[in-house]
Amino acid sequence: EIQLVESGGHLVQPGGSLRLSCAASGFTFNTYAMNWVRQAPGKGLEWVSSVSASGATTYYGDSVKGRFTISRDNSKNTLFLQMDSLAAEDTSVYYCAKAITMIPRDFYYMEVWGKGTTVTVSS
Amino acid sequence: SSELTQDPAVSVALGQTVTITCQGDTLRNYYVGWYQQKPGQAPVLVIYGKNKRPSGIPDRFSGSNSGNTASLTITRAQAEDEADYYCNSRDSSGGHVVFGGGTKLTVL
Repeated sequence: EIQLVESGGHLVQPGGSLRLSCAASGFTFNTYAMNWVRQAPGKGLEWVSSVSASGATTYYGDSVKGRFTISRDNSKNTLFLQMDSLAAEDTSVYYCAKAITMIPRDFYYMEVWGKGTTVTVSS
Repeated sequence: SSELTQDPAVSVALGQTVTITCQGDTLRNYYVGWYQQKPGQAPVLVIYGKNKRPSGIPDRFSGSNSGNTASLTITRAQAEDEADYYCNSRDSSGGHVVFGGGTKLTVL
């Protein structure tokens, strides 16, 4: 069974940093692109970032570019999201999601999602 | 980055057919993914690409595309289909992913 388990979310002050992790199991992690998507309370889905299977190519949403960094450790089947300069607007549930195919251009079709981890930015 | 536009809410009678649409210029170049999200749960991919269904998704769900519009059609709507539905795609530059604002489907 494919599983994604996010961790690392908690309450942080504005301007602070957090590192989210997503532990993957049940599939060959190093052959699929991965994504982070967030959802603010009562709001819709917002794409945050994506990374290619090798980790060589990364993409970021405009609202997080320059503040967040996506990475992966294929030896440990783990996806990361380093979040710096956090602001209240970053308060959300953060989901990691696996691409459905190994075709690089199809990285945005997100087949399997974790249950999410909650990040709250508040003083 | 471009935008994807969805109707905020749609309703369907039990057992009938409903179509949810997603509009955006980028859809002339890229297919969409459609996601179902029920309260308190993570999204589930129901349609992607040119009308492909992931394993386990009923064939009552189908997708189509025309010009700048993608459509998700649910035939024989069931009570369990009541959920928020989101489309996503790549923007015209290809370097960003965009989600539509979501459509709340009510099954009457």
